[in-house]
Amino acid sequence: AQTVTQSQPEMSVQEAETVTLSCTYDTSENNYYLFWYKQPPSRQMILVIRQEAYKQQNATENRFSVNFQKAAKSFSLKISDSQLGDTAMYFCAFNPAGSQGNLIFGKGTKLSVKP
Amino acid sequence: GAVVSQHPSRVICKSGTSVKIECRSLDFQATTMFWYRQFPKQSLMLMATSNEGSKATYEQGVEKDKFLINHASLTLSTLTVTSAHPEDSSFYICSARDIVWDRNQPQHFGDGTRLSIL
Repeated sequence: AQTVTQSQPEMSVQEAETVTLSCTYDTSENNYYLFWYKQPPSRQMILVIRQEAYKQQNATENRFSVNFQKAAKSFSLKISDSQLGDTAMYFCAFNPAGSQGNLIFGKGTKLSVKP
Repeated sequence: GAVVSQHPSRVICKSGTSVKIECRSLDFQATTMFWYRQFPKQSLMLMATSNEGSKATYEQGVEKDKFLINHASLTLSTLTVTSAHPEDSSFYICSARDIVWDRNQPQHFGDGTRLSIL
C-alpha cells in the first residue's frame, strides 16, 4: 500500500527564517507526482509546489523549494524568508501516475511563524 | 484558473435532518469528483470517489446509505448526509478532476463545508 508520512506534527519558525518540513512516502511505482498543499485557518486547500518523479531537478516556487530524493523516497519542503502568512497546516501528497487523480495525504504538519 | 464552488460553507441543523452539500466545477468539466472528511487538526480522509453517470466508489468504513453521492453531470456532484447525528459533525471538502487531465494539478478543491449537528 502507498503511504505518506509526515513525522513532524508541529513546527515553529521565526519570521524571516528558514524552515524545512519533512515527508517520506512508500511506493513500488516508478512514475508518480508529489505535492505540498497549504491549509491556512480558512481551511482552503492551496497547492504550494509540485514535483514529477522522473525529473531530477528539485522544484522551486519563489520562497518554496523541495528536496526530492527519489531513492530515499523523501520529499521535504523548504520555506525561506518565512512570513506570518505562511502559518498553516502543510500536507504532503502522493499521486500515482495513471490513477484517477487520487491523492494520498500525509497527516500534516502545523507550522507557526512567530513575529 | 479552475474554480470549484462548494455550497453551503456552513450548516447548523438539528439531529435527524438530512443535509445536502453541492460541489460545482465552474469553468471546467469534471468526470471525477472526490469527497473528503476532515476532523479537527487531522488530515483529509477520502470518503468516496464519484464518476459522472455512475455509482460512487466508497472507501472502506464509509456508509454508502449514510453518505449519498450523486454525480449527475460533468459539473455537479452532491453529498447528502442522511439523518445526520452529532457524530457526523465535521468539515467536508470536495475536489474535482478536470476532464482534460492535468498532471500538475490533479485535483481542484472547494472551500469546504463545516457541518454542525446539534
